[in-house]
Amino acid sequence: DAEITQSPRHKITETGRQVTLACHQTWNHNNMFWYRQDLGHGLRLIHYSYGVHDTNKGEVSDGYSVSRSNTEDLPLTLESAASSQTSVYFCASSEASVGMGSPLHFGNGTRLTVT
Amino acid sequence: AQKVTQAQTEISVVEKEDVTLDCVYETRDTTYYLFWYKQPPSGELVFLIRRNSFDEQNEISGRYSWNFQKSTSSFNFTITASQVVDSAVYFCALSEDNQAGTALIFGKGTTLSVSS
Repeated sequence: DAEITQSPRHKITETGRQVTLACHQTWNHNNMFWYRQDLGHGLRLIHYSYGVHDTNKGEVSDGYSVSRSNTEDLPLTLESAASSQTSVYFCASSEASVGMGSPLHFGNGTRLTVT
Repeated sequence: AQKVTQAQTEISVVEKEDVTLDCVYETRDTTYYLFWYKQPPSGELVFLIRRNSFDEQNEISGRYSWNFQKSTSSFNFTITASQVVDSAVYFCALSEDNQAGTALIFGKGTTLSVSS
């Protein structure tokens, strides 16, 4: 079965370190998204991509970057981790545009703690 | 301005009670989609339903029903005869057009606790 896999599931890092969270999907979807989930804020969009070499900033993109070198992967990099980036991160993909009603398929999340 | 408002932060009910989760949205788009997702205690996000802006028919799926009203910009979710397994965080979401394409904007979620 096709799926979307995030790794690691849990990560603890120190302030100032660079961290990369992996997201790999086997749906062959062009559209991929990164969200962060925080208490009181719900899910907020960080970055998204509509295809290879396409990347776009979301609502809370400061301090994060993504690159899309193939269809399957959209890694999320925290350039210099800050305590404010302690969160649960979800990767998602969709077959077509959400504007056409295509639902997002989510990974199981990565819990990141920045100490 | 908040695009998707879920005013109820937490709701607690006893099993077999009916419960309605409210969702109010704001958009300038004439064509858009609304979604509901469920996040059980295990943490995964599960797609429940989508509705496009041109379809105001209510939908029922077992104990779940959804009421979409463009006149009040609302897309409310009702669980009939709630069960403990319904305990979860429920998110309402809206498709939003931007310069690059369309993204999904989520509300802050409503935490539903169903006790036996």
